[in-house]
Amino acid sequence: EAGVVQSPRYKIIEKKQPVAFWCNPISGHNTLYWYLQNLGQGPELLIRYENEEAVDDSQLPKDRFSAERLKGVDSTLKIQPAELGDSAVYLCASSPRFGGSTDTQYFGPGTRLTVL
Amino acid sequence: GEDVEQSLFLSVREGDSSVINCTYTDSSSTYLYWYKQEPGAGLQLLTYIFSNMDMKQDQRLTVLLNKKDKHLSLRIADTQTGDSAIYFCAEGGGSQGNLIFGKGTKLSVKP
Repeated sequence: EAGVVQSPRYKIIEKKQPVAFWCNPISGHNTLYWYLQNLGQGPELLIRYENEEAVDDSQLPKDRFSAERLKGVDSTLKIQPAELGDSAVYLCASSPRFGGSTDTQYFGPGTRLTVL
Repeated sequence: GEDVEQSLFLSVREGDSSVINCTYTDSSSTYLYWYKQEPGAGLQLLTYIFSNMDMKQDQRLTVLLNKKDKHLSLRIADTQTGDSAIYFCAEGGGSQGNLIFGKGTKLSVKP
């Protein structure tokens, strides 16, 4: 079974430019998560989807971040415009069914973003 | 708010046991997790324990949970160089409804 797929793995952009990250969850997994991981820190939730519905986006900085999960499968996370402080690893995870954190989450390899 | 604390570094010799400790604050947490992260990789689920258990063993891994003290530990027996990584403790099923991660413990295994 394929794991969570993310692309690109690395992205370097200049500040004020837009950037997008893509995630393909494990087949059949209804719940999808985007996490932000700063250097030396644990992951922090940005947004959680149950199918195509964003059920928790309270930690997503909506002035510059947006996300979508059309058709309830793949998801895209966008930043526009990017700031220096957005340099981090963006992790995607999925779990089989909605259950909040009681359902095991499987993580992708992440996208490492560097903003110059 | 909810918080998960871990020591940042642990160094052991190959063949020794490693014990990584974690404390958490949300008493309503239902599940507690240990994830492993190797350089440049995502998080790999190692094991998890239900809050109504006090111990779980899985091959070289032993998880101990003291719910009264909100203390979780991960013991790795016969630690190998391939175990060198960052280990994250996470609590879940609590009031926030999401996983709350610690900052991670970097385990270094010396030959």
